[in-house]
Amino acid sequence: KQEVTQIPAALSVPEGENLVLNCSFTDSAIYNLQWFRQDPGKGLTSLLLIQSSQREQTSGRLNASLDKSSGRSTLYIAASQPGDSATYLCAVRWETSGSRLTFGEGTQLTVNP
Amino acid sequence: AAGVIQSPRHLIKEKRETATLKCYPIPRHDTVYWYQQGPGQDPQFLISFYEKMQSDKGSIPDRFSAQQFSDYHSELNMSSLELGDSALYFCASSVGALGRGYEQYFGPGTRLTVT
Repeated sequence: KQEVTQIPAALSVPEGENLVLNCSFTDSAIYNLQWFRQDPGKGLTSLLLIQSSQREQTSGRLNASLDKSSGRSTLYIAASQPGDSATYLCAVRWETSGSRLTFGEGTQLTVNP
Repeated sequence: AAGVIQSPRHLIKEKRETATLKCYPIPRHDTVYWYQQGPGQDPQFLISFYEKMQSDKGSIPDRFSAQQFSDYHSELNMSSLELGDSALYFCASSVGALGRGYEQYFGPGTRLTVT
């Protein structure tokens, strides 16, 4: 079964820390992987998209890496700020699952001032 | 930049009623996806359309139906609503559904509450 797992489920850090969020997936035959941010009760904001042929993508203080062979992706957030507090979701599009995205359960991040 | 538009943003219905959710994709996007996110859960894929044809089907109940129109907007019709249908419904759009690599852009969601 194709599944996406995110660890930890919740993370609380002081402002200014660098942090890493983890995403693992069970089948390495992926098209791409997207990281999203979701504020409580709000929509999904796409942060980064990594194609299967790529190893990493960067946008500002965010860096996402992809290791297909081990079925893992990480989202690195540098110099965290209270405004980064949100739930971060990773979603995988597999080669054998059409165009749908399969989401992990998310990591709820709290950055304390 | 134009984003995915969903209407209504909030909807309250009673059990056994019907509801229609609308989605307007980003201009020139030809693929629309519907996802359901229950309270405290991750989004679950329901159905998608590419060039007005159903391209993929997930865990969509038989009480639900959807279609994509000639202007590429999509509607999700939900009948015989149940309490468990209360959720945030997202629409996403992309350029193309076949092949690899296309990023999905999500709308703000429609919050459906069934009482």
